[in-house]
Amino acid sequence: EDQVTQSPEALRLQEGESSSLNCSYTVSGLRGLFWYRQDPGKGPEFLFTLYSAGEEKEKERLKATLTKKESFLHITAPKPEDSATYLCAVGTGTASKLTFGTGTRLQVTL
Amino acid sequence: ETGVTQSPTHLIKTRGQQVTLRCSSQSGHNTVSWYQQALGQGPQFIFQYYREEENGRGNFPPRFSGLQFPNYSSELNVNALELDDSALYLCASSLGGMDEQFFGPGTRLTVL
Repeated sequence: EDQVTQSPEALRLQEGESSSLNCSYTVSGLRGLFWYRQDPGKGPEFLFTLYSAGEEKEKERLKATLTKKESFLHITAPKPEDSATYLCAVGTGTASKLTFGTGTRLQVTL
Repeated sequence: ETGVTQSPTHLIKTRGQQVTLRCSSQSGHNTVSWYQQALGQGPQFIFQYYREEENGRGNFPPRFSGLQFPNYSSELNVNALELDDSALYLCASSLGGMDEQFFGPGTRLTVL
């Protein structure tokens, strides 16, 4: 059974304090690893897709990386508007089923 | 380009009732997936529809059923509601395969 574990569960940063979120996974045949951002009471917002170990993608203050066992979401000089829950998901098999982790709740304070 | 929309936004039902949730996919997308998200948890895959056919199902009982229409919009039906069915129900559309899935705002279902 596919498993996705995210850590830490919650993270509090001061504005400008860079950090990384971790997503470790156990799957039988990874077809893609996805990062989403979710604000309270809203649907997840797509951020990145990574397909193979060594791949990296960047968007504004966010950078996602992928190894054979885990992915990192690096946040550089975060701002309060980056506060959200960040979800990691893996796609496997023939159907586009995503298996999600429980997320990391990020709070960025002034 | 119109994003994924869902209706209603909130719904309150009592145990044993039936409910239908609706989703309009993003323009050009032919695949719709439904997820259940309990409070504090990640979304859990219910099922997926591709060109009006079920294309994969998660660990949900048969009282969770769905439909996809020729215009690629979709419905999620839940019969015999239980208290544990209270959750945020998310619809996501994609252009088939392993393309990125784009989520709607969700329907918050409360079962009393």
